[in-house]
Amino acid sequence: AQSVTQLGSHVSVSEGALVLLRCNYSSSVPPYLFWYVQYPNQGLQLLLKYTSAATLVKGINGFEAEFKKSETSFHLTKPSAHMSDAAEYFCAVTSPETGFQKLVFGTGTRLLVSP
Amino acid sequence: EAGVAQSPRYKIIEKRQSVAFWCNPISGHATLYWYQQILGQGPKLLIQFQNNGVVDDSQLPKDRFSAERLKGVDSTLKIQPAKLEDSAVYLCASSLDSGTLSWPQHFGDGTRLSIL
Repeated sequence: AQSVTQLGSHVSVSEGALVLLRCNYSSSVPPYLFWYVQYPNQGLQLLLKYTSAATLVKGINGFEAEFKKSETSFHLTKPSAHMSDAAEYFCAVTSPETGFQKLVFGTGTRLLVSP
Repeated sequence: EAGVAQSPRYKIIEKRQSVAFWCNPISGHATLYWYQQILGQGPKLLIQFQNNGVVDDSQLPKDRFSAERLKGVDSTLKIQPAKLEDSAVYLCASSLDSGTLSWPQHFGDGTRLSIL
């Protein structure tokens, strides 16, 4: 069955520092992978997605993620954190196992940015 | 374009009462999803509609939860009777096409339900 694991429920960085949020997936067939961001009291917004094209995917707000099949990972990075990046981040997966019909989310990582 | 609209934003009820949530998807979006997001967890799919037909309701607790999407546009999700463990944020999302999920899901701001 498809699933994602997000390591670290909370990540703290200083403004200007590198952001690294980890996501590992489990799927018996090549999946599609997504990162969503959720600001307080709001719904989820798509940051970026991997759909079997380029393995390095660039998203909005300066975020990017790299699909590494050998490591079953899809970590999210941003070179320099801004205060406005403080939010909850969710990794999600779908695969041919469900006909790409079902999106399964991880438990989320809360990013804290200090001045 | 207007986003996914949900109402109410907040609801507080006592256990064993009933409650209903409403969702209006983005115009032209054929697929509509209801998710339950319990505090500290990721969203969990409850039900997926393609137009007005149900595609997946395998995780919907059908003894107390029901959902409908009349005319393939708006949708309502109902809980009757509510239990304490139903306290969560209920998110509605829509997408143009669910076939390959190449289209992103657009989320509403959710309804935060508190059960006393």
